[in-house]
Amino acid sequence: DQQVKQNSPSLSVQEGRISILNCDYTNSMFDYFLWYKKYPAEGPTFLISISSIKDKNEDGRFTVFLNKSAKHLSLHIVPSQPGDSAVYFCAASPGPYSGGYQKVTFGTGTKLQVIP
Amino acid sequence: SQTIHQWPATLVQPVGSPLSLECTVEGTSNPNLYWYRQAAGRGLQLLFYSVGIGQISSEVPQNLSASRPQDRQFILSSKKLLLSDSGFYLCAWSVRGSEGNQPQHFGDGTRLSIL
Repeated sequence: DQQVKQNSPSLSVQEGRISILNCDYTNSMFDYFLWYKKYPAEGPTFLISISSIKDKNEDGRFTVFLNKSAKHLSLHIVPSQPGDSAVYFCAASPGPYSGGYQKVTFGTGTKLQVIP
Repeated sequence: SQTIHQWPATLVQPVGSPLSLECTVEGTSNPNLYWYRQAAGRGLQLLFYSVGIGQISSEVPQNLSASRPQDRQFILSSKKLLLSDSGFYLCAWSVRGSEGNQPQHFGDGTRLSIL
């Protein structure tokens, strides 16, 4: 059962334009949502997160939007740059357990290619 | 700043051989530690997590085990590897003790191929 779904395996965007990566989830207990970026032969790098009490979080060129009623989140990258070309993973967690550890569920990833 | 190291980067092992993958974290104390596996075309699957020395929780039944002999050291092991153990193994850490949400931070992973 795929609780976190990234239905687009790949996305191509022109440099300077907006990249929009989408993610849907099914578990209503998810309370904390994250985006990671992954280059080949490297581990995922944390990009940005949002908790369910917010509907938007912004960090520089990256903005994450959360629509709880639709169980949908998206990552906007504006403007897109060639260095943004990577696989982006959406992830979700029901929130921290005692001791702060998180059981995070990951999507399968979307490969973004930014064309110069 | 905090860093996480995993080794080896790649490993080719025959079926039935033992396995030991090591992960160490620097620049933080008492981290929560995690082992994930990514099979081809799939998302990351949580295998084990640890909230302290000697404290290991397993998320899925499998041929692997984990140990945490020191505060910032996390080891993934197997006595006899199966073909299905092939994959990309990632270690991660997060801040422990905080009751708020904290992201996990990953190492660069080990690509394990079983022949």
